Order: sequence, then C-alpha cells, then structure tokens
Amino acid sequence: GAGVSQSPSNKVTEKGKDVELRCDPISGHTALYWYRQSLGQGLEFLIYFQGNSAPDKSGLPSDRFSAERTGGSVSTLTIQRTQQEDSAVYLCASSMTGEGVYGYTFGSGTRLTVV
Amino acid sequence: EDQVTQSPEALRLQEGESSSLNCSYTVSGLRGLFWYRQDPGKGPEFLFTLYSAGEEKEKERLKATLTKKESFLHITAPKPEDSATYLCAVYGGATNKLIFGTGTLLAVQP
Repeated sequence: GAGVSQSPSNKVTEKGKDVELRCDPISGHTALYWYRQSLGQGLEFLIYFQGNSAPDKSGLPSDRFSAERTGGSVSTLTIQRTQQEDSAVYLCASSMTGEGVYGYTFGSGTRLTVV
Repeated sequence: EDQVTQSPEALRLQEGESSSLNCSYTVSGLRGLFWYRQDPGKGPEFLFTLYSAGEEKEKERLKATLTKKESFLHITAPKPEDSATYLCAVYGGATNKLIFGTGTLLAVQP
C-alpha cells in the first residue's frame, strides 16, 4: 500500500481480556517495528522484525506481549490479560531495509484503552 | 547507553517569532539523526535525516543542524500550522532501531 496501515485505530477493552493489533507495512519494506507511546512519554521500542524473524524483542515489557509477522508483510501484536498500564498508543513503522539509517515510515497508531 | 534528550518540553510562540528546539544525544558512532513531526492522533511524519556533524537541511520554515553532541531544529517565522510535537531520534552504536526523545510540544499562536 501507499503507507503503513494500522487497525483498529481505537480499541477499548476490559482489564484481563486479550487484544490483537494489526499492522500492514509499505509493500516491499522488509523491516517492521512496533513502538509504544504513553502520555507524556517518548516512543518506547517494543520489537523489530526483519522479514518474518524477530532479531530484537528486547522491548517487550512482559510475557503477556507477543508479536508475529507472516509472509514478510502483515504483523500482529498480541497483548494477553490486558492491564490498565497497557493503555497507550501502539505505533507500527516499516523501513525498506533493516538499516535504520534510512529512517522509518509510521502508521497512525492504535489507541488502546484498558478499563 | 544510547540516550536522547529534547528541550524544552513545551514551547509557545507568537506567529512570526523564530526559535530553536534542542536535541542532545549520547550514542557511540552516530549513523543518523532524525527529526519527525507528530500531529495529535497521528503517527510521526518524517522531516529530516542528518548524518554527520556540520550538516544542515532545510524545508520551508524549518532548518535542522547537527554537531557532535546535539542537533537544533530552527523554526523561522512560524505559522499556526507549525504547531505539533517535534521528535528527535538517533540511530547508531550497537542498536538496530531508532532511539527517540520525548519530544517538544510547539504551539504557535496567531
């Protein structure tokens, strides 16, 4: 597609429920990144994919968080047993290669609210 | 540890009042410094990449400069539509991802 697409744009869920967030990167971009942005905070790195592999998962805050990427394209971030502190905007970005020197293109994010 | 610090946290300007935003960084072997603009409810939008000290780039009313320790985003004669959060990020060292600062929230009043 022309840009990075994320869905849903907004998600309200009850504490304890599981949620799935989806990211469609720019066609042909091999690298995909997930970041989290909390109110008043900077962008917090979660996970990096190169193709379907995740060489860097160091930012995932707990084992409730997982992500996968299939076909070198769409990625899904899953949060199990959501907690109120998971409330944030989840941003996905893609890049032509895994070399960050070319910068990233971001989607508009999914605003997650856990009530 | 790679680190990015932006100042001020917030800045309010009158239309036409020029100013600068600061991004201080600590990274071993900087390979790129990035400026993004983020509007409310949207993802960050790419503005500039700077690769080496002394480099400058311009786009409309914005000019980004880079030294070995910091980058400045100069805003000349800003307009209300320049109001946004401006984010700085670095790429380099042993990291394989962009490290972001917390941003500067700019408000330009007519």
